[in-house]
Amino acid sequence: NAGVMQNPRHLVRRRGQEARLRCSPMKGHSHVYWYRQLPEEGLKFMVYLQKENIIDESGMPKERFSAEFPKEGPSILRIQQVVRGDSAAYFCASSPPSYEQYFGPGTRLTVT
Amino acid sequence: AQTVTQSQPEMSVQEAETVTLSCTYDTSESDYYLFWYKQPPSRQMILVIRQEAYKQQNATENRFSVNFQKAAKSFSLKISDSQLGDAAMYFCAYRSAEGVSGTYKYIFGTGTRLKVLA
Repeated sequence: NAGVMQNPRHLVRRRGQEARLRCSPMKGHSHVYWYRQLPEEGLKFMVYLQKENIIDESGMPKERFSAEFPKEGPSILRIQQVVRGDSAAYFCASSPPSYEQYFGPGTRLTVT
Repeated sequence: AQTVTQSQPEMSVQEAETVTLSCTYDTSESDYYLFWYKQPPSRQMILVIRQEAYKQQNATENRFSVNFQKAAKSFSLKISDSQLGDAAMYFCAYRSAEGVSGTYKYIFGTGTRLKVLA
């Protein structure tokens, strides 16, 4: 059973471009969580999704950020019109209907 | 709302010695889970140990064990016989009881950086 997959591992975008981060949960996992980690800081919760539903997006900035987890395919975290402050590591985690989260390797976004 | 507090930003331990990382949490729930995750320099988050709140027995995984004090809302991690590979950020995490439609909320502490001295 492959682990949580995230791609790309590294993403460089210029200010104003769009960043699209993908997360494929572990097989059988229907819950996906996105976190952001700034350098030397902890994990900040962004959004929690189940298939085709956003369960909790209380950690998402109100503008420019969106997330989806379609019936088929990976979960996508989209950041429009990126700014330097969006530079961070973005982690995806998945879990089955109970128990612990399993984390992907993260995507390191750099905005130049 | 639930909170998780790690009051030690950084800890050091001599190789082969024992170190304890602290974590406290606040909740009004009676049924929940607690976790310790390790994040080495590779930044991959790795689950170290899990504790179910309804279990009185402290969880143990090889050199890693916890001291779970439910009444005090304390969940510390003890690392015995510390190794250089244990050097990492350690995060304490709380998972809420099951909510609507089988959903859960996870809350992470701010982390403790563990240095292992040779």
